[in-house]
Amino acid sequence: ELKVEQNPLFLSMQEGKNYTIYCNYSTTSDRLYWYRQDPGKSLESLFVLLSNGAVKQEGRLMASLDTKARLSTLHITAAVHDLSATYFCAVDIGGATNKLIFGTGTLLAVQP
Amino acid sequence: NAGVTQTPKFRILKIGQSMTLQCTQDMNHNYMYWYRQDPGMGLKLIYYSVGAGITDKGEVPNGYNVSRSTTEDFPLRLELAAPSQTSVYFCASSLAKNIQYFGAGTRLSVL
Repeated sequence: ELKVEQNPLFLSMQEGKNYTIYCNYSTTSDRLYWYRQDPGKSLESLFVLLSNGAVKQEGRLMASLDTKARLSTLHITAAVHDLSATYFCAVDIGGATNKLIFGTGTLLAVQP
Repeated sequence: NAGVTQTPKFRILKIGQSMTLQCTQDMNHNYMYWYRQDPGMGLKLIYYSVGAGITDKGEVPNGYNVSRSTTEDFPLRLELAAPSQTSVYFCASSLAKNIQYFGAGTRLSVL
């Protein structure tokens, strides 16, 4: 059974600082997604990572994938308050169904 | 662009009542999904569909039923509501193995 673990579960950081969120998963997978969720809102897709060594960047966020280590990271550079949200990684269990297993999420609070 | 539309946005049910959560998408996506999100947790897949007439169970299907008669619509039926079904329900759709796009969610309380 595929398990997806994120850490930390809660991250409070100051504006301007850098930090990394980690996503570990237990079995092989051919793709991994990162989503953002604002309080009381729906999920917004940030990145899809398709292969070992894949790196995607958008603004202050950069995601990477190491399929051999079964690890993805979401790196935040020079955090700003607008990045405050919950971030989820989701792992495709494989096959043609596009079924995802979500991590428990990381609540990011960026303090001024 | 409407995307994925869910109705209702909020609902309170009494134990034992039934209801249908509606989901429709206008992106001509063949795959659709229902998830539930409990407080402070990630999403868990309830049911999914890879096309009209084809549905299958996800991680937590007990107490729910689905149907998919058209490409656009994927309703989720709750029979005999229980307090354990209090949650936020999200519908999503995708074009095969691709990014899933989510609706705004339905907040359901069973009292």
